[in-house]
Amino acid sequence: DAKTTQPPSMDCAEGRAANLPCNHSTISGNEYVYWYRQIHSQGPQYIIHGLKNNETNEMASLIITEDRKSSTLILPHATLRDTAVYYCIVRAQSGNTPLVFGKGTRLSVIA
Amino acid sequence: DAGVIQSPRHEVTEMGQEVTLRCKPISGHDYLFWYRQTMMRGLELLIYFNNNVPIDDSGMPEDRFSAKMPNASFSTLKIQPSEPRDSAVYFCASSTRTGGFYGYTFGSGTRLTVV
Repeated sequence: DAKTTQPPSMDCAEGRAANLPCNHSTISGNEYVYWYRQIHSQGPQYIIHGLKNNETNEMASLIITEDRKSSTLILPHATLRDTAVYYCIVRAQSGNTPLVFGKGTRLSVIA
Repeated sequence: DAGVIQSPRHEVTEMGQEVTLRCKPISGHDYLFWYRQTMMRGLELLIYFNNNVPIDDSGMPEDRFSAKMPNASFSTLKIQPSEPRDSAVYFCASSTRTGGFYGYTFGSGTRLTVV
């Protein structure tokens, strides 16, 4: 079973920041938070991951609370092409345990 | 790099027929995963390989499903005989350790319809 809880759907206006929450209250000390997204009819795509510090890359920012029980993925300026299902996954860094996908959040970016 | 290549993109077959899905992972990746996606069950892991050896096939739904990886550049997922409930999108992904973590690259999927 997935170890995360996400809202089933969210809307965001084009050009605004999209903030996608994820609850992972049972996360272990050696588990990272990963975010993937799946655009319609395509395979999932890696976005970002982090352990306890905030992370930023060219796609998004990841904010992890100090107690690590929740996180937020931020798309700073959402475009129509960001419409997708976003998956938050917790996973140990050591080894290569397979990704387990939950139901994710369906983000709709509206013009 | 062309990414993970899956074929065919679409497959329509009659119940009872054998179906073979194919995957070419990214060169140098030492892990390969097969996932299945349906509306009801979402993305499910079926089986994964490390260095061409099956590691965990507990997600394979029935004996009708089998997967092989004869070499580092090719894997197949076979369903024999196929049933309408096997209709789904099947994704292949490959992975290796880069920069301290295992990132996955997924293929575009094969949409299977069993009628």
